[in-house]
Amino acid sequence: DIQMTQSPSSLSASVGDRVTITCRASQSISSYLNWYQQKPGKAPKFLIYAASSLQSGVPSRFSGSGSGTDFTLTISSLQPEDFATYYCQHSYTTRTFGQGTKVEIK
Amino acid sequence: EVQLVQSGAEVKKPGESLKISCKGSGYRFSNYWIGWVRQMPGKGLEYMGIIYPDDSDTIYSPSFQGQVTISVDKSISTAYLQWSSLKASDTAMYYCARLNGVGASDAFDVWGQGTLVAVSS
Repeated sequence: DIQMTQSPSSLSASVGDRVTITCRASQSISSYLNWYQQKPGKAPKFLIYAASSLQSGVPSRFSGSGSGTDFTLTISSLQPEDFATYYCQHSYTTRTFGQGTKVEIK
Repeated sequence: EVQLVQSGAEVKKPGESLKISCKGSGYRFSNYWIGWVRQMPGKGLEYMGIIYPDDSDTIYSPSFQGQVTISVDKSISTAYLQWSSLKASDTAMYYCARLNGVGASDAFDVWGQGTLVAVSS
């Protein structure tokens, strides 16, 4: 089974900061990598598919990159509504999620 | 509007059975896989499995194979997740989500609101 490892597990940042979250797969998954955002008490929200394609309606400050085993989610200028937990998920074989990265207010 | 609406919260005792539901609307329910995702208290998302409503083809995550049953009734656009004998460790929020083809792959693009299952003696 392919394992997904995110880093860091949590981070503190200020509004306006550039934030980068990393997701590593235990074996190559090509570009079969999605990103989700979850706010407390809410269902996850789909952000990015195929490693770098933005879902419709997602602000352009979000971007994704990577292929193979190493991927990143970048928020170019953190906004108050972006404080949340972010999950990567591969769709190469099953649909395993990473353990999540919590983005907190500094 | 594309929606998945899940059944309400449940409080059960260990050993009891349970079936929770997820009703789709606003799209052709039969033609999209539906998945189930567990989130234990304070923890991350865990993929449980998916089902294709048109023919009931079901794929379980190895971690959940034999622990739960995923089913569907396409005539009423509803997917189900069921347990025959609940354990305290089944206490969690359970989400259903639509699996949609995006690019050359797929992703869970629409999510239900979640069903909280609490199991306690």
